[in-house]
Amino acid sequence: QVQLVESGGGLVKPGGSLRLSCAASGFTFSDYYMSWIRQAPGKGLEWVSYISSSGSTIYYADSVKGRFTISRDNAKNSLYLQMNSLRAEDTAVYYCARVVGASDYWGQGTLVTVSS
Amino acid sequence: DIQMTQSPSTLSASVGDRVTITCRASQSISSWLAWYQQKPGKAPKLLIYKASSLESGVPSRFSGSGSGTEFTLTISSLQPDDFATYYCQQYNSYRNFGPGTKVDIK
Repeated sequence: QVQLVESGGGLVKPGGSLRLSCAASGFTFSDYYMSWIRQAPGKGLEWVSYISSSGSTIYYADSVKGRFTISRDNAKNSLYLQMNSLRAEDTAVYYCARVVGASDYWGQGTLVTVSS
Repeated sequence: DIQMTQSPSTLSASVGDRVTITCRASQSISSWLAWYQQKPGKAPKLLIYKASSLESGVPSRFSGSGSGTEFTLTISSLQPDDFATYYCQQYNSYRNFGPGTKVDIK
């Protein structure tokens, strides 16, 4: 069965960096676009970024452009999100999701807290 | 950027009620719209894709309609498991979400 498991969240100071990972299993990872979506505490869903199956096409939300970098390693069935210059407003649960147009499978999320 | 709005933001209903949620896009997105259900502490669950296609395993009381800029999600007879927050998402250009509609118990 399809599984997506995020890791790498935690507490980081403003201006710091963090790298999230998403381990995929149960499907042919290299065939699918993948996405990161986040949800601040008590708030709605915010799309962050997505990457094509080969990694050649990447898009970011304006709120993270220039600070976050999405990448993937198809040999390791893994998706990544490098987050730099973190701000308090980046505090959220970060989900990875498989993209089939819409997002049909989601991980359980990993919490990122940006605070001094 | 395409902006998404939803109405109402909160909806109070009873078991057995017919419930309708509206989602509007700031420009035409054809039928590239999805609906998700989210319960507290859980990841969202895909209900509807391409505006009106029911995701496998989703009960048939859920239905979607619309195209262009106006879309609706209808729950024909609200069940106890349906009290949750519902989000629309456009995937015509990038992947923006609506602000959500919370369905709670009347």
